[in-house]
Amino acid sequence: DIQMTQSPSSLSASVGDRVTVTCRASQNVADFVNWFQQKPGEAPKLLIYAATNLHSGVPSRFSGGGSGAHFTLTISSLQTEDFATYYCQQTYSNPPTFGQGTRVEMK
Amino acid sequence: QVQLQESGPGLVKPSQTLSLTCSVSGASIGRGGYYWGWIRQHPEKGLEWIGYIYYTGETFYNPSLKSRITISKDTSKNQLSLRLNSVTAADTAVYYCARAEVGHSSPVDSWGQGTLVTVSS
Repeated sequence: DIQMTQSPSSLSASVGDRVTVTCRASQNVADFVNWFQQKPGEAPKLLIYAATNLHSGVPSRFSGGGSGAHFTLTISSLQTEDFATYYCQQTYSNPPTFGQGTRVEMK
Repeated sequence: QVQLQESGPGLVKPSQTLSLTCSVSGASIGRGGYYWGWIRQHPEKGLEWIGYIYYTGETFYNPSLKSRITISKDTSKNQLSLRLNSVTAADTAVYYCARAEVGHSSPVDSWGQGTLVTVSS
């Protein structure tokens, strides 16, 4: 299976901060990477698909970058509702695998 | 707007079979364009993809679970089902029904609310 490693595992930030989460794949996955946001007690929600494409209805402060084995999720100006856990996922090969998650907490 | 709703027992005994149903509204599982399937999340841990079924009936399973799982669909009821045999405590998780768009990166764009299944005697 392809391993997806996120860093950091958690971070503390303030409203208005620029936040970047990194995801590294154990091998080349081209741009077959999706990003999800999950809040406690809720199902994940799709943010970014195919590495750089913003899902419908997702605020433009979210953006995705990268290709190959290195990917980023950036929140340009953190809002209160963005405190959550973020997961990357590769769908390049079976089985699709997720990163372990990055928890974004309030400083 | 598509909605997915999981249902099934919340408690399953070890060695028995876990059975869940997902009722879909707002979209037809009998049409192409989407995979329908299951993803689980172990307590306080990450996400694990279980498998998908396509409208043709073709299935795609996680190799680590393939020997124990069956995903099926009932198009007339617009439902899909998951059966997981020979469960152990390691199968305790929140099980999500999910829809993934066919195509590049196949993103899961719709999720059920999830149902917690505990494996315990």
